[in-house]
Amino acid sequence: DVKVTQSSRYLVKRTGEKVFLECVQDMDHENMFWYRQDPGLGLRLIYFSYDVKMKEKGDIPEGYSVSREKKERFSLILESASTNQTSMYLCASSLELAGDTDTQYFGPGTRLTVL
Amino acid sequence: QKEVEQDPGPLSVPEGAIVSLNCTYSNSAFQYFMWYRQYSRKGPELLMYTYSSGNKEDGRFTAQVDKSSKYISLFIRDSQPSDSATYLCAMTTIEGFQKLVFGTGTRLLVSP
Repeated sequence: DVKVTQSSRYLVKRTGEKVFLECVQDMDHENMFWYRQDPGLGLRLIYFSYDVKMKEKGDIPEGYSVSREKKERFSLILESASTNQTSMYLCASSLELAGDTDTQYFGPGTRLTVL
Repeated sequence: QKEVEQDPGPLSVPEGAIVSLNCTYSNSAFQYFMWYRQYSRKGPELLMYTYSSGNKEDGRFTAQVDKSSKYISLFIRDSQPSDSATYLCAMTTIEGFQKLVFGTGTRLLVSP
């Protein structure tokens, strides 16, 4: 079974703090993704990575950065947290495009509250 | 206008009912269509995956794609209380590099 784990289920931070969200996958997947999920807006892609040290901006990268130093680990960084970054953050991973098996597997999510 | 539209629900049905969940989309380049199920406080999990048009069946679940109408559906037969969850449609283009575009999700409640 593919396993995607996220470092925290719930996190409370203060405005201006630097926040690290960690994601680890155990299936040697090439691609990793960070989304945020908000009511009425669905899942929106923040950043993705298709290889170690490679990253691409998604639809809403402003206020975020990412790091992928090892294949299995993808970190999302909020340089200076703001209240509008209060959200559910979901990490996902997938194999390279491989027919109909290139699905994305999601972690359980981190609910971040910024006060 | 959003690229993918999905009724948020909630959709409430009795156990055993046939459920129909739908999404419409505007980008004719979408070729891969997926349905994810998300239980409360969990990450989404893939239910069905369809390439281009047609139907795909897996147990009690049937996914249907009508590209001419830009409309996709997920049917659940003999619905169970354990099917109560939020159902998200997602889609991408061939060149999309798996940049999925998600619907906002439909919340389904199946009562015993």
